Amino acid sequence: EVQLLGSGGGLVQPGGSLRISCTASGFTFNTYAMSWVRQAPGRGLEWVSGISGSGTNTYYAGSVKGRFTISRDNSENTLFLQMNSLRGEDTAVYYCAKGRDSDSSGSYGMDVWGQGTTVTVSS
Amino acid sequence: QSALTQPASVSGSPGQSITISCIGTSSDVGSYDLVSWYQQHPGKAPKLMIYEVNERPSGVSNRFSGSKSGNTASLTISGLQAEDEADYYCCSYAGSRSYVVFGGGTKLTVL
Repeated sequence: EVQLLGSGGGLVQPGGSLRISCTASGFTFNTYAMSWVRQAPGRGLEWVSGISGSGTNTYYAGSVKGRFTISRDNSENTLFLQMNSLRGEDTAVYYCAKGRDSDSSGSYGMDVWGQGTTVTVSS
Repeated sequence: QSALTQPASVSGSPGQSITISCIGTSSDVGSYDLVSWYQQHPGKAPKLMIYEVNERPSGVSNRFSGSKSGNTASLTISGLQAEDEADYYCCSYAGSRSYVVFGGGTKLTVL
């Protein structure tokens, strides 16, 4: 079964850092691009970042560029999002999503989604 | 404010058809055939319903169809069923500056 399992969310103070993870199973991880999409409480979806299957190419939304870093460990079938200088507006459920292709920002469609991991930024 | 504009809500009776619009610009929807649509039930992860404007993933009902004209994309659901009640989001590639943009979402109510 194709599955994504997110982890690592929690409560962090403004200005703090957090790394969230997403472990994949059921497909050849290194051949697909991956993305992070977030959803603030009661709000819509917002694309955050994407990475190619090889990890060579990375893409960021303007709202997180310079603060967040996406990476992947293909030997462990795991996707990461390192979040620094966190702000209240970063509070959201963060979903990892599998792209349909090998190198895009998710623009060809994201066909498998994790269950979401909650990040709360508050003092 | 979302990059793509969707109606906040639409409704229809079982068996009817509804269409959700997604208005973008010449920088996103109008320039690329890379529009996708996602269905999200409360408390659940989104599900891909349409990709590349009008393609359906395996397992998605053929009651769901997509189209595009100029800067506006549309999702049509025919033969409405109770389980179609959900939030729907459009999504488009927006070039190498913004990459991927979503609409604000549309709440579909099946009366």
